[in-house]
Amino acid sequence: EIVLTQSPGTLSLSPGERATLTCRASQSVSSSHLAWYQQKPGQAPRLLMYGTSVRATGVPDRFSGGGSETDFTLTLSGLEPEDFAVYYCQQYGVSSVTFGGGTKVEIK
Amino acid sequence: QVHLQQWGAGLLKPSETLSLTCAVSGGSFSPYYWSWIRQPPGKGLEWIGQIDHRGDTDYNPSLKSRVAMSADMSKSQFSLSLNFVTATDTAVYFCARVHPASYHMDVWGNGATVSVSS
Repeated sequence: EIVLTQSPGTLSLSPGERATLTCRASQSVSSSHLAWYQQKPGQAPRLLMYGTSVRATGVPDRFSGGGSETDFTLTLSGLEPEDFAVYYCQQYGVSSVTFGGGTKVEIK
Repeated sequence: QVHLQQWGAGLLKPSETLSLTCAVSGGSFSPYYWSWIRQPPGKGLEWIGQIDHRGDTDYNPSLKSRVAMSADMSKSQFSLSLNFVTATDTAVYFCARVHPASYHMDVWGNGATVSVSS
């Protein structure tokens, strides 16, 4: 099973600042099979990014994704009030899916 | 617009069987995979497994001995069964649509809260 470790656990930032979230895999992940989700309290997760760097429908371009093999990042350039939430990375490999533990982006 | 509506028993006793169903509307059942994910209170997401339109399944190894998924294409529904539940199975359970090429989950149900308590 591929373990995904997200860091930091919590990111305290002000609106307008840049957020960089990291997802590290215990072994190499296909870049086609790496996705990011946003979750707000009481809601289902929302797909943000798939294939490492492809924004899902309706996702603003202040969100960007990158990385390869074992190191992936999600960058939010210029935080908006609605961006404060928990973010999860997810991978698929060898007929199994795993999620990272999540990064909470909170208002400083 | 694809919509997932899920339902099932919300309160169970230890050793009982959890049963949830998710209905797909507004879109095709194939060629997608259909997944179940759960989230214990205050914790992260855990993948339970997935089923495709042909009924082929993949399960989380940690739950494999207790999980079964099925699909009814004629009704555009898929179901989850988890037997011998304990308090650690208390969670919000989500169903989701999975793209077969990249395995990302682009449509999610609203979630069903399942509590296990004696």
